[in-house]
Amino acid sequence: RKEVEQDPGPFNVPEGATVAFNCTYSNSASQSFFWYRQDCRKEPKLLMSVYSSGNEDGRFTAQLNRASQYISLLIRDSKLSDSATYLCVVIDYSGGYQKVTFGTGTKLQVIP
Amino acid sequence: GAGVSQSPSNKVTEKGKDVELRCDPISGHTALYWYRQSLGQGLEFLIYFQGNSAPDKSGLPSDRFSAERTGGSVSTLTIQRTQQEDSAVYLCASSPFPTSGPVMSGELFFGEGSRLTVL
Repeated sequence: RKEVEQDPGPFNVPEGATVAFNCTYSNSASQSFFWYRQDCRKEPKLLMSVYSSGNEDGRFTAQLNRASQYISLLIRDSKLSDSATYLCVVIDYSGGYQKVTFGTGTKLQVIP
Repeated sequence: GAGVSQSPSNKVTEKGKDVELRCDPISGHTALYWYRQSLGQGLEFLIYFQGNSAPDKSGLPSDRFSAERTGGSVSTLTIQRTQQEDSAVYLCASSPFPTSGPVMSGELFFGEGSRLTVL
């Protein structure tokens, strides 16, 4: 089983739609979770952190379910500019090291 | 600027040549990562430097790949005897780990990458 798994997509959705991505992770002791966004031929950039209590930033909501070991990202009222690849990131801290594991990404295409 | 700087942004080389890729992290960031991304693929971890500790080299694909980080700042990734399959974008990221306070930040700041093409 991969350490971090995502559905690669692509998810093709119309403008205004709501879309959700899930990401599962294998290490139950993992401590920090993030969603990154990567535009075509660009570097990844932090979208938002993910907390057990859930967090919301405008149209974006992230959630962590530790019991089932998955994180989710919900995008409401999709815009054309949301088209990108969304990367799930899981971080483990041990012995003074920060092990960062990226998922392979879920591609989103928002269609006019 | 204040971000992660990588050079060269583009490098075309012939098979069998050696190449060096440079990463200048954000000042004060003690963690530095190298990743490789082939066209249409995910990020492949290569190596991780954490302060003065021994680096995590577990992602280096072969002994043709090596990296160093001098003075805890600038890092150089060296690929010897390049092969066509080495063609990819090489991304460097730095992180302010460990952060002060109880919260582990974990955010990685990426450079724009070095695009390597091996002919």
